Formats: sequence, C-alpha cells, structure tokens
Amino acid sequence: EPEVTQTPSHQVTQMGQEVILRCVPISNHLYFYWYRQILGQKVEFLVSFYNNEISEKSEIFDDQFSVERPDGSNFTLKIRSTKLEDSAMYFCASNFGGHRSYEQYFGPGTRLTVT
Amino acid sequence: SQQGEEDPQALSIQEGENATMNCSYKTSINNLQWYRQNSGRGLVHLILIRSNEREKHSGRLRVTLDTSKKSSSLLITASRAADTASYFCATESGGSYIPTFGRGTSLIVHP
Repeated sequence: EPEVTQTPSHQVTQMGQEVILRCVPISNHLYFYWYRQILGQKVEFLVSFYNNEISEKSEIFDDQFSVERPDGSNFTLKIRSTKLEDSAMYFCASNFGGHRSYEQYFGPGTRLTVT
Repeated sequence: SQQGEEDPQALSIQEGENATMNCSYKTSINNLQWYRQNSGRGLVHLILIRSNEREKHSGRLRVTLDTSKKSSSLLITASRAADTASYFCATESGGSYIPTFGRGTSLIVHP
C-alpha cells in the first residue's frame, strides 16, 4: 500500500540555523500539507499546497517558513532561522483533494529539536 | 472556532470492553473525521462521516454524528491492547479541505 514518507525521522539543530524537512507524498495525490504537533498538544495545520502554490496557510506559517516541490516527488518545508519554540513533530500529509477525497494520508513525522 | 474537542481526555479500560469517545464542535461542518495516533507516530485515518450521515461502521469501529447537538462519538467494540493510542476528531467546514483537530482522547487498553 502506498504511503507518505518523511526524512529525517529526527533532526537536531541549533537555534538560528536553517532546516529542511523532506516528504515524499503518495504519487498520484494532488494536495500536500504540513502540520506540526508540539509535545503533548494538538496537531496544528501549517500550510497546504496545490498546483505548485500555497493554497492555504495558518498564522503559524510566517515568513520564517517556506514550502517547495522541487521535483515531481519531493515536498519540503524549510524553516529559515529556527527558534526554540519550533521544536515539535512535523507531519506531512497528502490527498486527492476536491470531491474525490477529504481523507488525508499522514507520514510518520520528523521530530525537530531546536537547542 | 471549528475546533473539535474530545471527551474524555483519557480513558483506561480492560481488553474486551467497549470504548466510547466523544467529540463536540461549535459551528456547522461539512464532515468530521476520526484519526488514531500511536505514541510518537503519525496519524492514521479511521473514518470520515459527512454532515448528512448519522452513522458509519468500519470493522469494530462505529461513528455517530448528531448535527443538532454538534457532536460525534467513536465506539470501539471488543477493544484490544493494540487499540491503545490517542484518538482525534477533526472537522472540516466551508470550502476548506483543512481538518481542524481537537486535543484527543488518550485510550489505554489493559491486556
């Protein structure tokens, strides 16, 4: 069964450094998403991406964040200058979107630790 | 806010018992979904129920939706230790395909 994959599983970085989190969505999906989950808290939407552009973003997704689909398979989340409060699990998800499916398929997550 | 809120926050039962979790939300929705999250892992989609549906089944899972009360319940019958996880409801409304998650119910099933 196809699945969403994410790399790395755990990333440790120093405050102020740039990080890129990588995701490979399911190949025939059209919509891509990033979420984060701070330890012990709820899952929070960051951004959705469709047709090579951001379709929606939350207040969390400020200028420090960017997303890109550099090729036909990868979907990346970049944090330009990490802060301590960026420490969280980051989940990528994908789906067909539109009338075909609301169900989102989540990857296993990347644990980001900012020190 | 469209946020779903699960109740109870934590539930501890014995294997074989049924587990019921509830979700309440504040405004009209297009659909409501239930997800499971094992500790330290990603979310797994369980069931989607649309606003015009009242009940759905999938294996040992039964989901109900009462739009008049703005609430949903997830029933897991004959629970197993492997059902131990956090369970989240997520609502979608309007033209957005973005689910808004609640804080989840932590279920522990003792063998």
